[in-house]
Amino acid sequence: GEDVEQSLFLSVREGDSSVINCTYTDSSSTYLYWYKQEPGAGLQLLTYIFSNMDMKQDQRLTVLLNKKDKHLSLRIADTQTGDSAIYFCAEISLRSNDYKLSFGAGTTVTVRA
Amino acid sequence: GAVVSQHPSRVICKSGTSVKIECRSLDFQATTMFWYRQFPKKSLMLMATSNEGSKATYEQGVEKDKFLINHASLTLSTLTVTSAHPEDSSFYICSAADFSGGAHEQFFGPGTRLTVL
Repeated sequence: GEDVEQSLFLSVREGDSSVINCTYTDSSSTYLYWYKQEPGAGLQLLTYIFSNMDMKQDQRLTVLLNKKDKHLSLRIADTQTGDSAIYFCAEISLRSNDYKLSFGAGTTVTVRA
Repeated sequence: GAVVSQHPSRVICKSGTSVKIECRSLDFQATTMFWYRQFPKKSLMLMATSNEGSKATYEQGVEKDKFLINHASLTLSTLTVTSAHPEDSSFYICSAADFSGGAHEQFFGPGTRLTVL
């Protein structure tokens, strides 16, 4: 599959903003996603962005996409303890017609009081 | 968002037995279901893609005779781990999607923790 890379850990103070970064290699990526996984649970789709967009905002979440650099980020404003989880970046290329998601390794976000 | 369930959530079995895991889309019809395996502190590894009414497509290195997948209806797919061994212990997650009409999102189940003794 295509490569998707993320930093593994992020520690942030409650109330601050968190920024999670992701890079990918597939220039034909159509959609890029952010999923959240809490301990022992499945993946929750947080948000996604279409490849022809630069930014998408949804309440406390802001996604930035730099297609030239193949860089995706997720900013969480006013981070809360409930935001502690693993965040996965993923991409899909509809050109391949198989709809397979390529995942990063996940960033473990720890929110400290 | 769409809801996907998995059953059981947790199973412990003896080595050599078979275990069946169910994945259901509760409020939509899933044209496609995916089965993933996740090791501790690792990302998800796609095992197979399952389309309703047809044979599953397995990823390279995944034994299709060991991991039997059945997608008998638009709301149910099953993964059977046959003759399970301790190395099969893992967290198994399914996702479901309705790709008809141009939709692209996959919705994930809560996962099944399999422990083989």
